[in-house]
Amino acid sequence: DGGITQSPKYLFRKEGQNVTLSCEQNLNHDAMYWYRQDPGQGLRLIYYSQIVNDFQKGDIAEGYSVSREKKESFPLTVTSAQKNPTAFYLCASSPRASSHNEQFFGPGTRLTVL
Amino acid sequence: KQEVTQIPAALSVPEGENLVLNCSFTDSAIYNLQWFRQDPGKGLTSLLLIQSSQREQTSGRLNASLDKSSGRSTLYIAASQPGDSATYLCAVNPPGSARQLTFGSGTQLTVLP
Repeated sequence: DGGITQSPKYLFRKEGQNVTLSCEQNLNHDAMYWYRQDPGQGLRLIYYSQIVNDFQKGDIAEGYSVSREKKESFPLTVTSAQKNPTAFYLCASSPRASSHNEQFFGPGTRLTVL
Repeated sequence: KQEVTQIPAALSVPEGENLVLNCSFTDSAIYNLQWFRQDPGKGLTSLLLIQSSQREQTSGRLNASLDKSSGRSTLYIAASQPGDSATYLCAVNPPGSARQLTFGSGTQLTVLP
């Protein structure tokens, strides 16, 4: 099946710990994105990557880091510097980062900081 | 800065009713607008994408319109069904950042059997 997978579905973290969320796509898409969603709100962009080994900050990048070593993978690390990390995290991809391409989303990871 | 607003935040209708969801945006110079559906605790499913040069798009019982000059889009759902219950989000691709969608906060739709 072609699509975007995110793991784990649920993640619990103690304060002060870094955690990494996985995002993999087999759609051969060039561009990948990470969004954060808080209850009752829309999505906000954390980071995006147009090609391998390149990525840019979105609106709320502070406390997060990413890497893009492979086309199909775009992991997100939530660091201890992120002050309010509890949220629903969504990964997306599009064929290329141009204006007319549709974004497709994974099932999400719900992160809870204990 | 582009801002996207969706009104109402929640809507409850009886099964079979036709309904309209609204999306407005502050900067009319967009590249495209996308409507999504989100079920509780799930990711987003793309419903329709309207390019800036288009006025509407249709898929089954769904019809989305776009009026760039007034900064508005509507999602029309015909003959609603309980399975349509979900949160509907609109997102615009604003000028100067062709990779970054700006999302509204969504309309939570409940279709009562």
